[in-house]
Amino acid sequence: AQSVTQPDIHITVSEGASLELRCNYSYGATPYLFWYVQSPGQGLQLLLKYFSGDTLVQGIKGFEAEFKRSQSSFNLRKPSVHWSDAAEYFCAVDHMEYGNKLVFGAGTILRVKS
Amino acid sequence: DAGVIQSPRHEVTEMGQEVTLRCKPISGHDYLFWYRQTMMRGLELLIYFNNNVPIDDSGMPEDRFSAKMPNASFSTLKIQPSEPRDSAVYFCASRRAQGTYEQYFGPGTRLTVT
Repeated sequence: AQSVTQPDIHITVSEGASLELRCNYSYGATPYLFWYVQSPGQGLQLLLKYFSGDTLVQGIKGFEAEFKRSQSSFNLRKPSVHWSDAAEYFCAVDHMEYGNKLVFGAGTILRVKS
Repeated sequence: DAGVIQSPRHEVTEMGQEVTLRCKPISGHDYLFWYRQTMMRGLELLIYFNNNVPIDDSGMPEDRFSAKMPNASFSTLKIQPSEPRDSAVYFCASRRAQGTYEQYFGPGTRLTVT
């Protein structure tokens, strides 16, 4: 069955340090890929998306993600983390073969040390 | 644009009572999704609609749950009777039929059943 894996449940980084959140998916073909962020008590906000073309995509709040077909990965990165980035991050996949549905990873909680 | 609107934001009810959650999607969006989020199970898709028609309700936990979309600008999720295990945050999301397929989420309704 299709799945989305975020192997890190929690990550703690120091403010100003770089960040990489991992995401792997198991689909036969390239799906549509998304990263969402959820602050405490809030809904999910779209950070960025990939459909085709350039495998490095830029998003809001200084985030970027790189699609690597050979590794079935779509990792999220930020060069310098701010305290306000502390939140939960979800990778999601939408593949037409499985209906018009988003399949979410379990999420990664980011803590930022000052 | 106002974004996806959900009401109420918080609901506390006693076991056995009927609960109705409401959602207004973004104008012009053709798809509407209902999700449930819990610590144990993460984000789960309950049901989704296309042009007001339910397409996939395989995620609805049991017959106590029902959802309707009487028109393009309004949907309800009803739980009757409610049980403590229904306590969760319920999100509504919407998206266009064409384009880049990203879903836009509402702020959620936090349901507590005592």
